[in-house]
This record gives sequence, C-alpha cells and structure tokens, in this order.
Amino acid sequence: DAMVIQNPRYQVTQFGKPVTLSCSQTLNHNVMYWYQQKSSQAPKLLFHYYDKDFNNEADTPDNFQSRRPNTSFCFLDIRSPGLGDAAMYLCATSSSGTMMYFGPGTRLTVT
Amino acid sequence: AQSVSQHNHHVILSEAASLELGCNYSYGGTVNLFWYVQYPGQHLQLLLKYFSGDPLVKGIKGFEAEFIKSKFSFNLRKPSVQWSDTAEYFCAVNRNNNDMRFGAGTRLTVKP
Repeated sequence: DAMVIQNPRYQVTQFGKPVTLSCSQTLNHNVMYWYQQKSSQAPKLLFHYYDKDFNNEADTPDNFQSRRPNTSFCFLDIRSPGLGDAAMYLCATSSSGTMMYFGPGTRLTVT
Repeated sequence: AQSVSQHNHHVILSEAASLELGCNYSYGGTVNLFWYVQYPGQHLQLLLKYFSGDPLVKGIKGFEAEFIKSKFSFNLRKPSVQWSDTAEYFCAVNRNNNDMRFGAGTRLTVKP
C-alpha cells in the first residue's frame, strides 16, 4: 500500500513557467519534507512543515514555495523554473522527527 | 559547520568482499542515525536506524551499523556483498528537531 504518494512522477516544464508538484500521505504524520536531489548528489532539504508551521532552509531560493492545506497534502511550487532546477524532488514524512518515509519522487525536466 | 560526512565517494568491490562505509557527523547532543539505500532508478529506502540502546544495529539484507558515540561515527558494514547491493548509500542524521541531514552518499559498485 502506497504511504507517500507523489504526482506526477515525471514533469516537464518550460523555462520560467510555474509548476506545482504534489505529495500526499496516508500515514497521518505531522511532519512533511521536501528535498531536492540532483544526479549523484545527496538529497538537499528545501523546507519542512511541522503541522502547519513552515520551516524554510536558509539557502532555499525564493523561487521555491510550499503549501500544506491539510495533514495529508503538501505542495511544492516553483514560480519560475530555471535549467538549474531540473532535479528529482522527494517528499518525505515523519512522526515528529523519527523515521522518515520517502515518496518515489518527481523528476522535473526544464526545457 | 555542522555536517554529515561520508568519506568514500565511490567504492568498487568484488562479490563476497566485505564492505565498510564510513559516516561521521558533527552534531552535538542526542541524534538519531540512519542509513538509506537508493538502487538505480528507485527511491530511497531505509536500511537501518539507531535511536538508542545497543549501538550495533542490524538492518535488512544483511547490513549492520555500529554507533560509536566517542567518534561521532555510524559506519555501515556487510560481511559479504552481492552484485545486487550495487547502489548509492546515504547516511543521515536527525537531531530530534525534525531536521534530517544527509551525507553526500557513497556509490557502491559490486563486480560479479
């Protein structure tokens, strides 16, 4: 049974065209994360939500925004994607900072 | 700066060789420690974790890791690797504040 679901699995967008990635979870976890992973690199934390509290990493570009309308859903908005934003975007959840469960990721291509 | 360090970028082994991948962290205080594996084209999967108790933890697929608090280390080991262990391995540290940090990863290639 899928626990952390990411849609779409593959997303192609044009340079500068806003794009939204979706994540949902069936675990009822209070913490949701967004990571960016480029090829052969470690996942880089962009931000996380603890319940409704938003925590942005200091080096996350303003181009990246997030919304969490309820416990189950979290969205990653990229306002003006650049070529350098092409990556795998990973959503993860945890129950107050213990084990994390990762989704399968959305691979973003920017043309 | 506080960080998670994986010293080996790429490790190449023959089947049946023993494996040890190093992981060191620089955070103080209580930490939770993890090893994740990412097979080619797949998402991150948890291999094993340490929260407290016995510092030698056993995970899936014959992997184990030892937490040495005095050395701030959490090295991953496997006595005999298989070709199917070819993957990227990530060490991760959670500082009980919902902040999970990953090391740069170690690519393991096992030659048949």
